Amino acid sequence: AQKVTQAQTEISVVEKEDVTLDCVYETRDTTYYLFWYKQPPSGELVFLIRRNSFDEQNEISGRYSWNFQKSTSSFNFTITASQVVDSAVYFCALSEASNDYKLSFGAGTTVTVRA
Amino acid sequence: ETGVTQTPRHLVMGMTNKKSLKCEQHLGHNAMYWYKQSAKKPLELMFVYSLEERVENNSVPSRFSPECPNSSHLFLHLHTLQPEDSALYLCASSLGVGDTQYFGPGTRLTVL
Repeated sequence: AQKVTQAQTEISVVEKEDVTLDCVYETRDTTYYLFWYKQPPSGELVFLIRRNSFDEQNEISGRYSWNFQKSTSSFNFTITASQVVDSAVYFCALSEASNDYKLSFGAGTTVTVRA
Repeated sequence: ETGVTQTPRHLVMGMTNKKSLKCEQHLGHNAMYWYKQSAKKPLELMFVYSLEERVENNSVPSRFSPECPNSSHLFLHLHTLQPEDSALYLCASSLGVGDTQYFGPGTRLTVL
């Protein structure tokens, strides 16, 4: 069964628009971690954020913000005032204590920002 | 200096060839990973090494053979591959197993 669901396959926006990427996860563990990675066309996965299951505080880093809600098992990611350089595939991932903290990735959301 | 490097970046090989992919990390990490990323599929974990010992082999065919001579280097030896093995192969490292993984740029492999 898919542990991480990214329902949006592709999102296309015009520069300066905000874009929100959805991530829904499934786990029975009480201890787990959630991640977001960015994969630009060059191929490398770039680490963006790691959040543990005990910290529901939302986080902001520049134009990026994350909304973690355990009640809905969601860890959504928003890019504010998008730029062309934000064009990439974004992956949400889960690591669980019961799975030896191996990463389970979602299928990814392709974001295209048009000038 | 880039944290995790991979060579070559692109590789085209025939089904009877033998080649190796190389990964090197400059982060002082103790765990290293190989992943396969095929089109339209989620990333698949292939192997995990911790302190040069293999701790995970995720039902990978024997035509893929990993080697970890030290905590900074990881190889993936390839032989008699199939066209369906064409994919992006990503290496990652982390301080320990379970810590945040940092990825290299990948090797784009095409098997003819």
